[in-house]
Amino acid sequence: GAVVSQHPSWVICKSGTSVKIECRSLDFQATTMFWYRQFPKQSLMLMATSNEGSKATYEQGVEKDKFLINHASLTLSTLTVTSAHPEDSSFYICSASGGGGTGLLQETQYFGPGTRLLVL
Amino acid sequence: AQSVTQPDIHITVSEGASLELRCNYSYGATPYLFWYVQSPGQGLQLLLKYFSGDTLVQGIKGFEAEFKRSQSSFNLRKPSVHWSDAAEYFCDGQRGAGSYQLTFGKGTKLSVIP
Repeated sequence: GAVVSQHPSWVICKSGTSVKIECRSLDFQATTMFWYRQFPKQSLMLMATSNEGSKATYEQGVEKDKFLINHASLTLSTLTVTSAHPEDSSFYICSASGGGGTGLLQETQYFGPGTRLLVL
Repeated sequence: AQSVTQPDIHITVSEGASLELRCNYSYGATPYLFWYVQSPGQGLQLLLKYFSGDTLVQGIKGFEAEFKRSQSSFNLRKPSVHWSDAAEYFCDGQRGAGSYQLTFGKGTKLSVIP
């Protein structure tokens, strides 16, 4: 149980275009989802936290207009990188936490496999 | 400030040798603690977690970790390392019940010599 998927696993796009990354909890309802960014050989940096049906909470320094997060259902959150530039190239990882009644401890985050974005 | 520290950036061990990866935390109260493993180009896989109770926690893939309050540590151990264990390991902390935000250590890269 507690499987989280991401799509696509990798994407190459031209500068100025927008890219949407999907994060899905496959076998549980995720009341909270998180988006992280990881630079090469570095740890993960939390970008934002989203609860189903409400606006995402962004970490300091993360542009909410550039990184649009939508958590429209209990199994799907999307991250859209708008007007992507080469400096947005990175590894984006989502995670999900289950709510009450799922049998999963609410505080445990389950991670997706990540999406590698390359902006040319 | 709440933080998690992994003192070792890179560790190399021989296959079959024992392993210990260090993790120290700095929280006002006992945090929830996790160890994750990340293989190259992959997401994170949860190895084990400590919330409360027994201070010796068993995880997947033969890993275990021991919570030591007196040393503010949560070191990861494995008695015999396999070549497939080569990866990046992250120790993470969470303030406690109701707090979702993870504080990641910077990671320890494990290399295994055949």
